[in-house]
Amino acid sequence: AQSVTQLDSHVSVSEGTPVLLRCNYSSSYSPSLFWYVQHPNKGLQLLLKYTSAATLVKGINGFEAEFKKSETSFHLTKPSAHMSDAAEYFCVVSDPSGNTPLVFGKGTRLSVIA
Amino acid sequence: GAVVSQHPSWVICKSGTSVKIECRSLDFQATTMFWYRQFPKQSLMLMATSNEGSKATYEQGVEKDKFLINHASLTLSTLTVTSAHPEDSSFYICSAKFPQTSREQFFGPGTRLTVL
Repeated sequence: AQSVTQLDSHVSVSEGTPVLLRCNYSSSYSPSLFWYVQHPNKGLQLLLKYTSAATLVKGINGFEAEFKKSETSFHLTKPSAHMSDAAEYFCVVSDPSGNTPLVFGKGTRLSVIA
Repeated sequence: GAVVSQHPSWVICKSGTSVKIECRSLDFQATTMFWYRQFPKQSLMLMATSNEGSKATYEQGVEKDKFLINHASLTLSTLTVTSAHPEDSSFYICSAKFPQTSREQFFGPGTRLTVL
């Protein structure tokens, strides 16, 4: 069985400061991991994904995440927050086959203060 | 590529009526689509997996007679909420995998259902 834990339900940062959204996973297999962003009343947009290639993954809008197997973590970072980054972020895990449903974290709401 | 659309984007209906939500893959074929439900400030909950040409697979606790899913073509899946009640008010999101063997899903923009 797989599970995802997003360690913070809400993170608040000042504009221009770094962003860190934490995610830990549990999986019996070598998982695929994703970060999605959701703006209010919108669908989910893929930020980045890890599928067993490079452990440091670069995504859109300056976000990146590092897969750390020893720590079972896949934290999302960005060097400098922008006001438009304010949204809900979901960490998601999938098994290698992709044949079982995605498992979603509970989400982290990112607020960016001017 | 890999764009998923939903229609309508929002709908308001009276209690007891039925509402149909469409999910389309615009530039690819999707033999499998997924329907999720999201309550305010919560994560997505998978309701069912829609399979083209066969019956949908429902998650535990989801009433299949309440939430009818039809995947009649490779680009269209529909979710019909029958005899809707206020507790069915929610944000419904569909997704599809592309390519079919991928682990990644592409999500539609969602449909906000409000039942009065």
